[in-house]
Amino acid sequence: DGGITQSPKYLFRKEGQNVTLSCEQNLNHDAMYWYRQDPGQGLRLIYYSQIVNDFQKGDIAEGYSVSREKKESFPLTVTSAQKNPTAFYLCASSIIAGANTDTQYFGPGTRLTVL
Amino acid sequence: GENVEQHPSTLSVQEGDSAVIKCTYSDSASNYFPWYKQELGKGPQLIIDIRSNVGEKKDQRIAVTLNKTAKHFSLHITETQPEDSAVYFCAASPDYQLIWGAGTKLIIKP
Repeated sequence: DGGITQSPKYLFRKEGQNVTLSCEQNLNHDAMYWYRQDPGQGLRLIYYSQIVNDFQKGDIAEGYSVSREKKESFPLTVTSAQKNPTAFYLCASSIIAGANTDTQYFGPGTRLTVL
Repeated sequence: GENVEQHPSTLSVQEGDSAVIKCTYSDSASNYFPWYKQELGKGPQLIIDIRSNVGEKKDQRIAVTLNKTAKHFSLHITETQPEDSAVYFCAASPDYQLIWGAGTKLIIKP
């Protein structure tokens, strides 16, 4: 059964703690993405990776970090430096079709709440 | 950089009627325009997409039109059903990223 999995579905964190969100895909996609979604708003890009061991900052990378040690995995760490981390986090993946994007497929999301 | 505007933010239609959501983009280099549907608490799902070499694409009750000259594209849903209730997002891609609209909450009234 192919797709993208994110865990956990719900996550609670105390202020000042780092937390890592998991994203795994078995679609053999080259590119992976992390987005943040706040209530009633669109998606904002945090980080993306087009190839293993390489990633780039998106529009709102401050307070976040990522790694891409395996093609299938792209974990996101929300650090204590992120001022307002409570949000819905979405992971996506896609094939890289030359210089253009292809369809992005999304995981079910992780809802992070800072207590 | 690219900017995508989406209207309306909320759309309420009677079941069985049609719904139209419109997006405009700013970068003429954008060549890929997907539409996603997001149900509450879930990740977005692609419902239809169009590339810049095509003016219209249809899939059953859903269609997308693209006007490259005016830099706008629209989602059309006909014969709306209760399960169409969701938030719909448009996006535009000038390269390997997607630039997203703010979303439209579609409400289907019984």
